[in-house]
Amino acid sequence: DAGVIQSPRHEVTEMGQEVTLRCKPISGHNSLFWYRQTMMRGLELLIYFNNNVPIDDSGMPEDRFSAKMPNASFSTLKIQPSEPRDSAVYFCASTRGPRNYNSPLHFGNGTRLTVT
Amino acid sequence: AQTVTQSQPEMSVQEAETVTLSCTYDTSESNYYLFWYKQPPSRQMILVIRQEAYKQQNATENRFSVNFQKAAKSFSLKISDSQLGDTAMYFCACRTGANSKLTFGKGITLSVRP
Repeated sequence: DAGVIQSPRHEVTEMGQEVTLRCKPISGHNSLFWYRQTMMRGLELLIYFNNNVPIDDSGMPEDRFSAKMPNASFSTLKIQPSEPRDSAVYFCASTRGPRNYNSPLHFGNGTRLTVT
Repeated sequence: AQTVTQSQPEMSVQEAETVTLSCTYDTSESNYYLFWYKQPPSRQMILVIRQEAYKQQNATENRFSVNFQKAAKSFSLKISDSQLGDTAMYFCACRTGANSKLTFGKGITLSVRP
């Protein structure tokens, strides 16, 4: 089991640039979550997918953020255009679901995004 | 929607001592699970322990145990024989069957002193 794989581990970009974060969930997991972690707001759920379908994107801060899951083994979170306030650590997590709510989420190592 | 509250921002404990981290939650669902995650400086999120709401028996995992008070909606984590490697942020979280979201508290920073 390779775990949840996120790339890149660090991303530094200039304001206005497009940023794409990538995630490969654990094989066999059919629920995928994107979280953002900041000192001020803690861990915030941005969006989650069940069976590749977005279920709840109410946490996506604004239209500059978008997420896709084209297949069971890949998801992206895109920010366009990026702003300094988007600087944070972005986590992807996967789990068996949606009915297996007793299953813990397995997290990737996160992407630290810095927008200058 | 569920909410999770961790009111203590940080705590400190002497190595080998016992420490308890507090957490309260609120949900209208009857089926839910509670979790504690640990985040060391490496920023990896590690599952520490989980509790099924319909089980009265408190979960234990080696030096980690919980005190689950369902009526009070309280879910505290006890760490016995604290070790330097326990230094980390600890997050309490709740996941319900209704929406399958995992909602986190703000976290508490635990420092273990040598």
